Amino acid sequence: GAVVSQHPSRVICKSGTSVKIECRSLDFQATTMFWYRQFPKQSLMLMATSNEGSKATYEQGVEKDKFLINHASLTLSTLTVTSAHPEDSSFYICSAAVPGEAREQYFGPGTRLTVT
Amino acid sequence: AQSVTQLGSHVSVSEGALVLLRCNYSSSVPPYLFWYVQYPNQGLQLLLKYTSAATLVKGINGFEAEFKKSETSFHLTKPSAHMSDAAEYFCAVRVHNTDKLIFGTGTRLQVFP
Repeated sequence: GAVVSQHPSRVICKSGTSVKIECRSLDFQATTMFWYRQFPKQSLMLMATSNEGSKATYEQGVEKDKFLINHASLTLSTLTVTSAHPEDSSFYICSAAVPGEAREQYFGPGTRLTVT
Repeated sequence: AQSVTQLGSHVSVSEGALVLLRCNYSSSVPPYLFWYVQYPNQGLQLLLKYTSAATLVKGINGFEAEFKKSETSFHLTKPSAHMSDAAEYFCAVRVHNTDKLIFGTGTRLQVFP
């Protein structure tokens, strides 16, 4: 299967600072990537769709000024959590859709963000 | 609108027993369906996908799923559970004409020795 990497795997930051998370498709080009948030013992919540070369599409209720997404190349999307607060602490997971009929998504290993 | 429903948030089986994780879908068009597995503090791994090519889909790690249109189901099975199968399992459907996925609420599989 396709491989998606995510960095960092864990990050701890102070309240008010910004954190950048990188998502890379290692062996395929991804015109579309996705960013999810997952709370403990819950399913994934789609935050936004990242489109290469254009603006991200955010889901309802997700603050686009707080969660900045940049998809500068066909293999890299970044999520920046700006002015982080403790309530932003969560597990963030990215994915990329592969070409083909099903357009299945392959997921990164996730990033555990803790805001103190 | 499309959706998936996973029946049973927790399933417990003994090692060597049959694993059955239930997923029902709702879709007005032929769906693309997926099963993913998530181990603690990790991302999701694709187990298998349904694309209408065959109703019985074989995936990795000995899992398979059968698409039943009459029952709107896509249940995941494995003949013999292994301790390493203990994880969270998610069923998902692709939203028509998009690449988005809608996930079920997940089923936690416990395997007892």
